[in-house]
Amino acid sequence: EDKVVQSPLSLVVHEGDTVTLNCSYEVTNFRSLLWYKQEKKAPTFLFMLTSSGIEKKSGRLSSILDKKELSSILNITATQTGDSAIYLCAAGTQGGSEKLVFGKGTKLTVNP
Amino acid sequence: DTAVSQTPKYLVTQMGNDKSIKCEQNLGHDTMYWYKQDSKKFLKIMFSYNNKELIINETVPNRFSPKSPDKAHLNLHINSLELGDSAVYFCASSQWRGGAYNEQFFGPGTRLTVL
Repeated sequence: EDKVVQSPLSLVVHEGDTVTLNCSYEVTNFRSLLWYKQEKKAPTFLFMLTSSGIEKKSGRLSSILDKKELSSILNITATQTGDSAIYLCAAGTQGGSEKLVFGKGTKLTVNP
Repeated sequence: DTAVSQTPKYLVTQMGNDKSIKCEQNLGHDTMYWYKQDSKKFLKIMFSYNNKELIINETVPNRFSPKSPDKAHLNLHINSLELGDSAVYFCASSQWRGGAYNEQFFGPGTRLTVL
């Protein structure tokens, strides 16, 4: 069965800290790895990674995929209280019935 | 303008009732999805439609029936509601491009509470 595991499940840090969120996946016909941020409502898209070793950056957030290790990390530097959210990792499959398989998320709390 | 919209945002109903949730996207995407997010925040796919055709049906009870009247709409009808159906239901859409689906954009969710 397709599976995505995220760690840690929750994390509490202080503003200014740097955090690393982990994601590992086991899916049939893997195509891409996606990161989403979920605050109160809908998940909002952060990154999509398809190639190993190429870092994607957006401001203080960055992510990289390791296809050999079947994993990805999401880094957030100089955290702010507005970064508090659930970060969801999803593995995208290909070939017919394409879908996203989500992990359970990492709940990040950034305290002032 | 809202890219993916759902109605209603909240739905409180009794066990045994039948209810529908509507979803519309104005992104011009050709694929739409329904996800269920349970109380532990675990997001799981239920259905996907590409150009009004059912692509994914992930072991969902027959009481759930999606309907896609056109590419921009995907509705979810639930018969004989049960307590375990209480969850947040998210609609999403994406576009087939370059031989694969790309990132999915999510609607605001519908919180369903079955009493």
